[in-house]
Amino acid sequence: GQNIDQPTEMTATEGAIVQINCTYQTSGFNGLFWYQQHAGEAPTFLSYNVLDGLEEKGRFSSFLSRSKGYSYLLLKELQMKDSASYLCAVRVLLTGANNLFFGTGTRLTVIP
Amino acid sequence: EAGVTQFPSHSVIEKGQTVTLRCDPISGHDNLYWYRRVMGKEIKFLLHFVKESKQDESGMPNNRFLAERTGGTYSTLKVQPAELEDSGVYFCASSQGTNNEQFFGPGTRLTVL
Repeated sequence: GQNIDQPTEMTATEGAIVQINCTYQTSGFNGLFWYQQHAGEAPTFLSYNVLDGLEEKGRFSSFLSRSKGYSYLLLKELQMKDSASYLCAVRVLLTGANNLFFGTGTRLTVIP
Repeated sequence: EAGVTQFPSHSVIEKGQTVTLRCDPISGHDNLYWYRRVMGKEIKFLLHFVKESKQDESGMPNNRFLAERTGGTYSTLKVQPAELEDSGVYFCASSQGTNNEQFFGPGTRLTVL
């Protein structure tokens, strides 16, 4: 089976940096995605890693270590609007399909 | 460009009734996925269409769930008869290729009483 773990909740201060960790145990790993989801809205794509290393996109960066089954999402210069759930999802290649397996999400609260 | 849309946004039905959810993917996206999130749990994969064909339906919980994508455009997910444990948020996503990012719709919140 697939197992993806991430913290349930985190709180950080406006303007600060926060790191949200995700560990996974999967077979057929074919990439890791981070999505942001505001309450009642669609999950929106933030980043994608398939090779080891850091991918930077503005205030958001994501890191992957395939050997350790570990990823993190780094958010810099936090803004109040960054309060949301952050979903770690692993794409698994099974019998020709590419399905996403999600963690339960990390609810981030940004405080003034 | 319009994103993935889902209808209805909310549905409240009684146990034993039938409900049909609809998903309109982004135009030109051959891949369409259904996911479900029940209270307190993670989003879980249900099935994957490539055009009108079911590529993978390994996540469908049981035969009370029927998904179709006639013509390879929009898709419907019918639950018949609905049970209490079917309550949750049903998400649809689409992608251009199987290796591309998936774009999600806002979800349909289904409540079975």
